[in-house]
Amino acid sequence: DSGVTQTPKHLITATGQRVTLRCSPRSGDLSVYWYQQSLDQGLQFLIQYYNGEERAKGNILERFSAQQFPDLHSELNLSSLELGDSALYFCASVGGFNYGYTFGSGTRLTVV
Amino acid sequence: ELKVEQNPLFLSMQEGKNYTIYCNYSTTSDRLYWYRQDPGKSLESLFVLLSNGAVKQEGRLMASLDTKARLSTLHITAAVHDLSATYFCAVDPSDDYKLSFGAGTTVTVRA
Repeated sequence: DSGVTQTPKHLITATGQRVTLRCSPRSGDLSVYWYQQSLDQGLQFLIQYYNGEERAKGNILERFSAQQFPDLHSELNLSSLELGDSALYFCASVGGFNYGYTFGSGTRLTVV
Repeated sequence: ELKVEQNPLFLSMQEGKNYTIYCNYSTTSDRLYWYRQDPGKSLESLFVLLSNGAVKQEGRLMASLDTKARLSTLHITAAVHDLSATYFCAVDPSDDYKLSFGAGTTVTVRA
């Protein structure tokens, strides 16, 4: 167990639907980073939150949004889902630059 | 736009032999990370390289960083089956943890 918790592990949904992915960082880590891993795009940075505030955005679609709550857990909301949104979604937290990221186990999203 | 290129993308290794994976990147960075991913699993941190000339070793794996050449290598010594996985390098050019990943090198070790 890496200490970064993601739920659910698997999600199957239909096109046009909306889903919410949840992430809790390691105890003591204030940042949450979201990444998408797909076969065609590889690992892509989506968005970062630090202590409740958005810090950086990457290749995140307008249909996607995220937030970080006072207890530091984060949610990634994906709406108007398309087949191409099928991917593994990882969150990660950072304990300090000497350690790099610690990744959660991921949520595998399948859009049918 | 930052580019991180790994080669080879696929590597079939014979048990007991030595191999090297290369990671080239297109912009200045003093931070480079190596990760391992087993199929359908999460990414496991292998090495954090934070300065020019950094070399780190763990078991049969050794990683090095040459920031002037913008090149990192992951050397595998005497490959064993357990090393079969996909290996990613990632660069943090802005020191803000927005990592740019290479495409990954899928390693298969055969007897």
